[in-house]
Amino acid sequence: GENVEQHPSTLSVQEGDSAVIKCTYSDSASNYFPWYKQELGKGPQLIIDIRSNVGEKKDQRIAVTLNKTAKHFSLHITETQPEDSAVYFCAATSRDSNYQLIWGAGTKLIIKP
Amino acid sequence: KAGVTQTPRYLIKTRGQQVTLSCSPISGHRSVSWYQQTPGQGLQFLFEYFSETQRNKGNFPGRFSGRQFSNSRSEMNVSTLELGDSALYLCASSLFSGGFYEQYFGPGTRLTVT
Repeated sequence: GENVEQHPSTLSVQEGDSAVIKCTYSDSASNYFPWYKQELGKGPQLIIDIRSNVGEKKDQRIAVTLNKTAKHFSLHITETQPEDSAVYFCAATSRDSNYQLIWGAGTKLIIKP
Repeated sequence: KAGVTQTPRYLIKTRGQQVTLSCSPISGHRSVSWYQQTPGQGLQFLFEYFSETQRNKGNFPGRFSGRQFSNSRSEMNVSTLELGDSALYLCASSLFSGGFYEQYFGPGTRLTVT
């Protein structure tokens, strides 16, 4: 079955710098890759996703890239702000897995003022 | 549209008791998934219901069960509670969009077992 690995587990960056979180997946049939942000005391929030027919997607300061050959995808946050501090989760799924999302372990992003 | 709602938000139970948690999905969403999240841990998948049928199941003991009603509202039940069941239980409803299911989470129910 599918397995998703996420790195790093903790990432500390200076405010204004960029942050990159990486995930690798094992099932080549996976074709949908969402990213979620979970703030303290809240449920995860879908912030961006990418489909396998696209290599990159941007939404303001957030971008996601997908490398299907290497089976990895990454979340890029530019010009980080204090409100970006949160835990970020990646996930992967496909119709073959009955659309069940397989989750990475999460990355705690700390923005230092 | 209103988001995913979960009730109750906080719950304290004693070991050996049972508990029922409720989830109301976003209007029009027919899929509901449940997750367990313990401190510092990721999202552990419990099960997913679609149109009142369990479509996917995680690797949890039979003490954890769920169901979905015709209006897509879902409940999960944990029987014979153990201390290790203390966790945040998250519900997510899904919309089928462009060939994929986009999951939207509720705020969770914080269960404490003493």
